Amino acid sequence: SQTIHQWPATLVQPVGSPLSLECTVEGTSNPNLYWYRQAAGRGLQLLFYSVGIGQISSEVPQNLSASRPQDRQFILSSKKLLLSDSGFYLCAWSVRASYGYTFGSGTRLTVV
Amino acid sequence: AQTVTQSQPEMSVQEAETVTLSCTYDTSESDYYLFWYKQPPSRQMILVIRQEAYKQQNATENRFSVNFQKAAKSFSLKISDSQLGDAAMYFCACRHGSGNTGKLIFGQGTTLQVKP
Repeated sequence: SQTIHQWPATLVQPVGSPLSLECTVEGTSNPNLYWYRQAAGRGLQLLFYSVGIGQISSEVPQNLSASRPQDRQFILSSKKLLLSDSGFYLCAWSVRASYGYTFGSGTRLTVV
Repeated sequence: AQTVTQSQPEMSVQEAETVTLSCTYDTSESDYYLFWYKQPPSRQMILVIRQEAYKQQNATENRFSVNFQKAAKSFSLKISDSQLGDAAMYFCACRHGSGNTGKLIFGQGTTLQVKP
């Protein structure tokens, strides 16, 4: 069966520090991968998506970047965090449009 | 561009009663899929129900059913016999079907409170 792992679950980082959030998928090949951000009590904003290794599409210009070094690994990064980067980050994968997305358990990031 | 609108930021329902959450969407595509996701306090996103746009029959999953009105671009979620565990934030979402790379676009969510 397919599973998605996302870590860490919680992270508190000072302003100006780097960031690396990792997401891995098991049990499937060549998935589409996605990073979303959710502000408190709000909807989900698509940040990046990837349809293959090294292929990254950015939806919103921002302080973050994404990489896909392996087929089932998706990384969200920042060189210098801003206060506005705080939020709940969700990784997701899909294979077929009709199946929707399967989400990871999320990372709560607080920038202080 | 796709848009999804949920006009009810908050709803409440008495336990064992029925509640309907509203959703409208806008898309120029003919091939698309609609979804309802549940986000409980744990913040895990859970797929509740999905609907293929080409199907006229409304989807049903146990106590959850949808009212899909394609011409009106409306996709409401009905929860019957509400339970305390149904308390969560509910998101409506739309995805184009072409090429399997269509992005899932979410509404702003509706917070559902279930009163005992």
